[in-house]
Amino acid sequence: GENVEQHPSTLSVQEGDSAVIKCTYSDSASNYFPWYKQELGKGPQLIIDIRSNVGEKKDQRIAVTLNKTAKHFSLHITETQPEDSAVYFCAASGMGGSEKLVFGKGTKLTVNP
Amino acid sequence: GAVVSQHPSWVICKSGTSVKIECRSLDFQATTMFWYRQFPKQSLMLMATSNEGSKATYEQGVEKDKFLINHASLTLSTLTVTSAHPEDSSFYICSAKQAVGYEQYFGPGTRLTVT
Repeated sequence: GENVEQHPSTLSVQEGDSAVIKCTYSDSASNYFPWYKQELGKGPQLIIDIRSNVGEKKDQRIAVTLNKTAKHFSLHITETQPEDSAVYFCAASGMGGSEKLVFGKGTKLTVNP
Repeated sequence: GAVVSQHPSWVICKSGTSVKIECRSLDFQATTMFWYRQFPKQSLMLMATSNEGSKATYEQGVEKDKFLINHASLTLSTLTVTSAHPEDSSFYICSAKQAVGYEQYFGPGTRLTVT
């Protein structure tokens, strides 16, 4: 089955710096890659996603890039703010027509003021 | 848009009792709903997938007789933890998906503590 690896597990940056989180997936049939932000004690919030027919997508300070050949995708957050501090999860789905999401293990991002 | 609610947000129950958790899509029709559990500092683990009007499909290792899932309408799914034990204590989160599109929207989660 699909396996999603996520790195780093923790990331600490200074306010205003950029943060990059990377994920790799194993199943080349995967075609949908969302990113979720989870604050402590809350459910995950979809922040951006990308489909396999697109190489890059941007929404204000957040961008996601996808390299299908290498089977990896990345989340880029620019001009980080303290409120960006949270756990971020990448996921993949679509293999075999399945709607199920396979999650990475998460990255705890801390933005220091 | 795409709001999912869960009720209750937290519950404490005694060992051996049953607990029901509701998941509602407030502004869209959810043809598919998913139930996850999450232990502290860990990722989300899919428990089961439910389609409206159909029996749920459980992931390997998840006891279907212990975790009863009902998806009776396009806006409501319920998870009942039967004969709960302390090891069932966890954060339970649902997500909902429309018929068209890939996006899954998550509820705020339910913290279950079994004493």
